[in-house]
Amino acid sequence: DAGVIQSPRHEVTEMGQEVTLRCKPISGHNSLFWYRQTMMRGLELLIYFNNNVPIDDSGMPEDRFSAKMPNASFSTLKIQPSEPRDSAVYFCASSTGPYYEQYFGPGTRLTVT
Amino acid sequence: AQKVTQAQTEISVVEKEDVTLDCVYETRDTTYYLFWYKQPPSGELVFLIRRNSFDEQNEISGRYSWNFQKSTSSFNFTITASQVVDSAVYFCALSEARSTDKLIFGTGTRLQVFP
Repeated sequence: DAGVIQSPRHEVTEMGQEVTLRCKPISGHNSLFWYRQTMMRGLELLIYFNNNVPIDDSGMPEDRFSAKMPNASFSTLKIQPSEPRDSAVYFCASSTGPYYEQYFGPGTRLTVT
Repeated sequence: AQKVTQAQTEISVVEKEDVTLDCVYETRDTTYYLFWYKQPPSGELVFLIRRNSFDEQNEISGRYSWNFQKSTSSFNFTITASQVVDSAVYFCALSEARSTDKLIFGTGTRLQVFP
Protein backbone atom coordinates (compact mmCIF):
# COMPACT_ATOMS: atom_id res chain seq x y z
CA ASP A 1 0.00 0.00 0.00
CA ALA A 2 1.13 3.51 -0.74
CA GLY A 3 2.04 5.66 2.20
CA VAL A 4 1.15 9.30 2.64
CA ILE A 5 1.93 11.18 -0.55
CA GLN A 6 3.01 14.80 -0.58
CA SER A 7 3.74 17.13 -3.44
CA PRO A 8 5.82 18.91 -4.34
CA ARG A 9 8.85 17.52 -2.52
CA HIS A 10 10.70 20.80 -2.90
CA GLU A 11 9.38 24.27 -3.50
CA VAL A 12 11.37 27.44 -3.95
CA THR A 13 9.41 30.63 -4.27
CA GLU A 14 9.79 34.34 -3.85
CA MET A 15 8.36 36.32 -1.01
CA GLY A 16 4.81 37.36 -1.68
CA GLN A 17 3.95 34.42 -3.88
CA GLU A 18 1.20 31.93 -3.13
CA VAL A 19 2.30 28.43 -2.22
CA THR A 20 0.10 25.34 -2.21
CA LEU A 21 1.21 22.09 -0.66
CA ARG A 22 -0.69 18.89 -1.34
CA CYS A 23 -1.29 15.71 0.57
CA LYS A 24 -2.93 12.38 -0.12
CA PRO A 25 -3.44 10.38 3.10
CA ILE A 26 -3.34 6.63 3.39
CA SER A 27 -6.57 5.11 2.15
CA GLY A 28 -8.91 4.36 5.02
CA HIS A 29 -7.32 6.83 7.40
CA ASN A 30 -9.80 9.37 8.65
CA SER A 31 -7.48 11.74 10.50
CA LEU A 32 -5.07 14.04 8.69
CA PHE A 33 -2.45 16.35 10.13
CA TRP A 34 -0.21 19.12 8.86
CA TYR A 35 3.05 19.79 10.68
CA ARG A 36 5.89 22.21 10.20
CA GLN A 37 9.47 21.45 11.19
CA THR A 38 12.20 24.03 11.69
CA MET A 39 15.46 23.99 13.54
CA MET A 40 14.29 26.72 15.88
CA ARG A 41 10.82 25.44 16.74
CA GLY A 42 11.05 21.72 16.08
CA LEU A 43 7.88 19.90 15.02
CA GLU A 44 4.73 21.95 15.29
CA LEU A 45 1.20 20.79 14.62
CA LEU A 46 -0.50 23.32 12.37
CA ILE A 47 -3.93 21.80 11.89
CA TYR A 48 -5.69 18.50 11.93
CA PHE A 49 -8.81 17.12 10.32
CA ASN A 50 -11.05 14.27 11.35
CA ASN A 51 -13.42 12.93 8.71
CA ASN A 52 -12.53 15.93 6.52
CA VAL A 53 -13.57 18.41 9.19
CA PRO A 54 -10.97 20.74 10.77
CA ILE A 55 -10.83 19.92 14.46
CA ASP A 56 -7.98 22.05 15.73
CA ASP A 57 -6.31 24.85 13.80
CA SER A 58 -4.79 26.59 16.80
CA GLY A 59 -1.32 25.93 15.45
CA MET A 60 -1.86 27.82 12.21
CA PRO A 61 0.55 30.75 12.48
CA GLU A 62 -1.63 33.47 11.04
CA ASP A 63 -4.23 34.30 8.46
CA ARG A 64 -1.77 33.80 5.66
CA PHE A 65 -2.09 30.06 6.24
CA SER A 66 -5.16 28.09 5.26
CA ALA A 67 -5.90 24.39 4.90
CA LYS A 68 -8.67 22.45 3.25
CA MET A 69 -9.74 18.86 2.99
CA PRO A 70 -12.42 18.65 0.29
CA ASN A 71 -12.57 14.86 0.46
CA ALA A 72 -11.09 11.91 2.30
CA SER A 73 -8.21 11.50 -0.11
CA PHE A 74 -6.88 15.01 -0.54
CA SER A 75 -5.81 18.01 1.49
CA THR A 76 -4.05 21.27 0.75
CA LEU A 77 -2.10 23.74 2.82
CA LYS A 78 -1.88 27.18 1.30
CA ILE A 79 0.32 30.10 2.25
CA GLN A 80 -0.62 33.45 0.75
CA PRO A 81 1.44 35.60 0.68
CA SER A 82 4.55 33.62 1.58
CA GLU A 83 7.36 35.11 3.65
CA PRO A 84 10.98 33.99 4.22
CA ARG A 85 10.13 32.92 7.78
CA ASP A 86 7.77 30.32 6.33
CA SER A 87 10.77 28.38 5.07
CA ALA A 88 10.55 24.94 6.67
CA VAL A 89 9.75 21.31 5.99
CA TYR A 90 6.02 20.72 5.97
CA PHE A 91 4.82 17.25 6.79
CA CYS A 92 1.45 15.69 6.27
CA ALA A 93 0.46 12.68 8.37
CA SER A 94 -2.58 10.45 8.64
CA SER A 95 -3.94 7.95 11.12
CA THR A 96 -6.87 5.58 11.51
CA GLY A 97 -8.32 7.50 14.38
CA PRO A 98 -7.88 8.87 17.86
CA TYR A 99 -4.78 7.77 19.73
CA TYR A 100 -3.38 5.65 16.94
CA GLU A 101 0.00 6.14 15.38
CA GLN A 102 0.37 8.73 12.68
CA TYR A 103 2.10 7.90 9.44
CA PHE A 104 4.05 10.72 7.91
CA GLY A 105 4.63 11.69 4.32
CA PRO A 106 8.11 12.48 3.01
CA GLY A 107 7.61 16.20 3.57
CA THR A 108 7.79 19.28 1.38
CA ARG A 109 10.87 21.44 1.81
CA LEU A 110 9.76 25.03 1.27
CA THR A 111 12.23 27.81 0.69
CA VAL A 112 10.94 31.35 0.44
CA THR A 113 13.51 33.86 -0.80
CA ALA B 1 -0.39 20.92 30.49
CA GLN B 2 1.16 18.13 28.49
CA LYS B 3 4.87 18.20 27.81
CA VAL B 4 7.57 15.88 26.55
CA THR B 5 11.19 16.37 27.54
CA GLN B 6 14.13 14.77 25.80
CA ALA B 7 17.03 16.15 27.75
CA GLN B 8 19.71 14.55 25.59
CA THR B 9 20.22 16.78 22.59
CA GLU B 10 22.88 14.63 20.98
CA ILE B 11 24.49 11.29 21.71
CA SER B 12 27.50 9.78 19.99
CA VAL B 13 28.44 6.12 20.30
CA VAL B 14 30.63 3.65 18.53
CA GLU B 15 29.04 0.79 16.68
CA LYS B 16 27.99 -2.18 18.84
CA GLU B 17 27.56 -0.03 21.93
CA ASP B 18 24.19 -0.02 23.68
CA VAL B 19 22.52 3.37 23.97
CA THR B 20 19.47 4.61 25.86
CA LEU B 21 17.44 7.61 24.81
CA ASP B 22 15.51 9.25 27.62
CA CYS B 23 11.98 10.58 27.46
CA VAL B 24 10.10 12.19 30.33
CA TYR B 25 6.53 13.32 29.94
CA GLU B 26 4.01 15.41 31.85
CA THR B 27 0.29 14.94 31.72
CA ARG B 28 -2.72 15.33 33.98
CA ASP B 29 -4.69 12.80 32.03
CA THR B 30 -4.97 9.22 33.27
CA THR B 31 -5.40 7.91 29.75
CA TYR B 32 -2.66 8.78 27.33
CA TYR B 33 -0.46 7.34 24.62
CA LEU B 34 3.27 7.48 24.10
CA PHE B 35 5.14 7.14 20.84
CA TRP B 36 8.63 7.01 19.44
CA TYR B 37 9.51 8.15 15.94
CA LYS B 38 12.77 7.98 14.03
CA GLN B 39 13.91 10.63 11.57
CA PRO B 40 16.91 9.42 9.56
CA PRO B 41 19.06 11.82 7.53
CA SER B 42 16.73 11.35 4.56
CA GLY B 43 14.14 13.34 6.51
CA GLU B 44 11.06 11.18 6.75
CA LEU B 45 9.48 10.40 10.11
CA VAL B 46 9.16 6.71 10.81
CA PHE B 47 6.81 5.34 13.45
CA LEU B 48 8.49 2.94 15.88
CA ILE B 49 6.15 2.20 18.76
CA ARG B 50 2.92 3.20 20.50
CA ARG B 51 2.14 2.53 24.16
CA ASN B 52 -1.00 3.29 26.14
CA SER B 53 -0.94 4.39 29.75
CA PHE B 54 -2.49 1.17 31.00
CA ASP B 55 0.17 -1.07 29.58
CA GLU B 56 3.44 -0.81 31.47
CA GLN B 57 4.93 -3.93 30.00
CA ASN B 58 8.30 -3.37 28.46
CA GLU B 59 8.56 -4.12 24.79
CA ILE B 60 11.36 -5.60 22.76
CA SER B 61 11.58 -5.59 19.00
CA GLY B 62 14.85 -6.94 17.71
CA ARG B 63 17.60 -4.62 18.91
CA TYR B 64 15.07 -2.06 20.13
CA SER B 65 13.48 -2.07 23.56
CA TRP B 66 11.30 0.33 25.45
CA ASN B 67 10.97 0.83 29.21
CA PHE B 68 7.74 2.50 30.31
CA GLN B 69 7.60 3.57 33.96
CA LYS B 70 4.58 5.53 35.10
CA SER B 71 6.12 6.09 38.53
CA THR B 72 8.80 8.27 36.97
CA SER B 73 6.77 9.40 33.93
CA SER B 74 9.41 8.02 31.64
CA PHE B 75 9.36 6.09 28.40
CA ASN B 76 12.96 5.32 27.55
CA PHE B 77 14.24 3.72 24.39
CA THR B 78 17.27 1.45 24.24
CA ILE B 79 19.12 0.32 21.16
CA THR B 80 21.28 -2.72 21.75
CA ALA B 81 24.41 -3.28 19.69
CA SER B 82 23.95 -0.04 17.79
CA GLN B 83 24.67 0.16 14.08
CA VAL B 84 25.56 3.02 11.78
CA VAL B 85 22.09 2.79 10.25
CA ASP B 86 20.63 3.72 13.63
CA SER B 87 22.02 7.24 13.19
CA ALA B 88 19.00 9.51 13.21
CA VAL B 89 17.01 11.94 15.29
CA TYR B 90 14.61 10.16 17.60
CA PHE B 91 11.44 11.83 18.82
CA CYS B 92 9.28 10.88 21.75
CA ALA B 93 5.66 12.03 21.61
CA LEU B 94 2.58 12.12 23.84
CA SER B 95 -1.11 12.11 23.04
CA GLU B 96 -3.71 12.64 25.74
CA ALA B 97 -7.13 11.05 25.43
CA ARG B 98 -8.85 14.39 25.90
CA SER B 99 -6.77 15.96 23.14
CA THR B 100 -8.03 13.44 20.62
CA ASP B 101 -5.30 12.94 18.05
CA LYS B 102 -3.01 15.78 18.99
CA LEU B 103 0.59 14.63 19.30
CA ILE B 104 3.02 16.63 21.42
CA PHE B 105 6.59 15.98 20.34
CA GLY B 106 9.78 16.30 22.31
CA THR B 107 12.66 18.22 20.83
CA GLY B 108 14.37 15.04 19.70
CA THR B 109 17.70 13.34 20.40
CA ARG B 110 20.25 13.15 17.63
CA LEU B 111 22.04 9.81 17.73
CA GLN B 112 25.27 9.40 15.84
CA VAL B 113 26.72 5.92 15.57
CA PHE B 114 30.29 5.82 14.36
CA PRO B 115 31.87 2.76 12.77
